[in-house]
Amino acid sequence: DAMVIQNPRYQVTQFGKPVTLSCSQTLNHNVMYWYQQKSSQAPKLLFHYYDKDFNNEADTPDNFQSRRPNTSFCFLDIRSPGLGDAAMYLCATRREREGNEQFFGPGTRLTVL
Amino acid sequence: AQKITQTQPGMFVQEKEAVTLDCTYDTSDPSYGLFWYKQPSSGEMIFLIYQGSYDQQNATEGRYSLNFQKARKSANLVISASQLGDSAMYFCAMREGRADKLIFGTGTRLQVFP
Repeated sequence: DAMVIQNPRYQVTQFGKPVTLSCSQTLNHNVMYWYQQKSSQAPKLLFHYYDKDFNNEADTPDNFQSRRPNTSFCFLDIRSPGLGDAAMYLCATRREREGNEQFFGPGTRLTVL
Repeated sequence: AQKITQTQPGMFVQEKEAVTLDCTYDTSDPSYGLFWYKQPSSGEMIFLIYQGSYDQQNATEGRYSLNFQKARKSANLVISASQLGDSAMYFCAMREGRADKLIFGTGTRLQVFP
């Protein structure tokens, strides 16, 4: 089945140790999003790719970066994780002009020790 | 700026009963879309239903319906015949901008009891 896959599902890292989260999709969607969801809060958009164009939200910390080497894959890099970066990270995709729904992956739950 | 408000932190409903989850929104854009997503404890976001601002009729998807009152800027989710598996967090969201990024409300935790 076509889907959005996130790896790993659970990630534990140490304070200040770089970590990379991955998202892949078989939907051939041109728009990909990364959301951060802290405990008991709503998801908040970090950035998105519209095709190859990267769009950063104004309040996304510099500590967060992203790469999209091709249509199918997108990575979230956290350069120096702090305790406040512990959260669920959700990847979502959408195809422009093809419905309204964003398709979400299962998320990666990040723990920072 | 666009804003989504969900005023019910938690709701309880008995199995087989109907329940309404409230959502109000604020936007100056005449064209907008409203979504409801379900998030079980496992964490994935599951799309439930969508309502476009120009849609003449309320959206329905199986047991889910959206009570869209444009003048009041409300988009309440109605779940009919609740099931135990409906216990989850429910988020109302609005799309924004060319890339249709989602602005979420704070969510309502629904618990269905036997």
